[in-house]
Amino acid sequence: GEDVEQSLFLSVREGDSSVINCTYTDSSSTYLYWYKQEPGAGLQLLTYIFSNMDMKQDQRLTVLLNKKDKHLSLRIADTQTGDSAIYFCAESINDYKLSFGAGTTVTVRA
Amino acid sequence: DTGVSQDPRHKITKRGQNVTFRCDPISEHNRLYWYRQTLGQGPEFLTYFQNEAQLEKSRLLSDRFSAERPKGSFSTLEIQRTEQGDSAMYLCASSKAGTSGSTTQYFGPGTRLLVL
Repeated sequence: GEDVEQSLFLSVREGDSSVINCTYTDSSSTYLYWYKQEPGAGLQLLTYIFSNMDMKQDQRLTVLLNKKDKHLSLRIADTQTGDSAIYFCAESINDYKLSFGAGTTVTVRA
Repeated sequence: DTGVSQDPRHKITKRGQNVTFRCDPISEHNRLYWYRQTLGQGPEFLTYFQNEAQLEKSRLLSDRFSAERPKGSFSTLEIQRTEQGDSAMYLCASSKAGTSGSTTQYFGPGTRLLVL
């Protein structure tokens, strides 16, 4: 995961928007992913974006990709307590493996 | 579709013992992956199979680790002579190669290993 960087913590008030940022290094990555992990559980695929896209929206989730700066962000609108979890950014390497960041712990406060 | 399943969910063992984990992928997926996740870190790639062929192994996969996928369906990961440093969550994922987004991997719940 040393090639993917994320901020470690984010605290947000319920009902506000959350923005999680990520930088990656492999410019040849074709897909970039966001996964969610709740305590003691596996990873849940949230969304992904193809590298020739700038933006993808999926209900409360918006992904923005700046390929020039190798910057990816995930915006969660109307954040709820159930959104409290660790969020991982990942880039695809050589079409078979994923390289993950260390994860951003999102805490939603009432 | 029941998703990726892993067994056992938790394993406690003594140092020096052998352990084996099983993963059942999503039924139509021909690729299967193993990752290891330690506390406070993201998952790290260990190895992957396309059908029954093991195509890539990370340098993290020491000689004590072996993975198989004999019939191209379920896979096993064995760790011999476990060490305390092997304590981690072992995650399995699967995907369908040959389609767009073939690296889109779906993860199982993981097997948490504790070596005493």
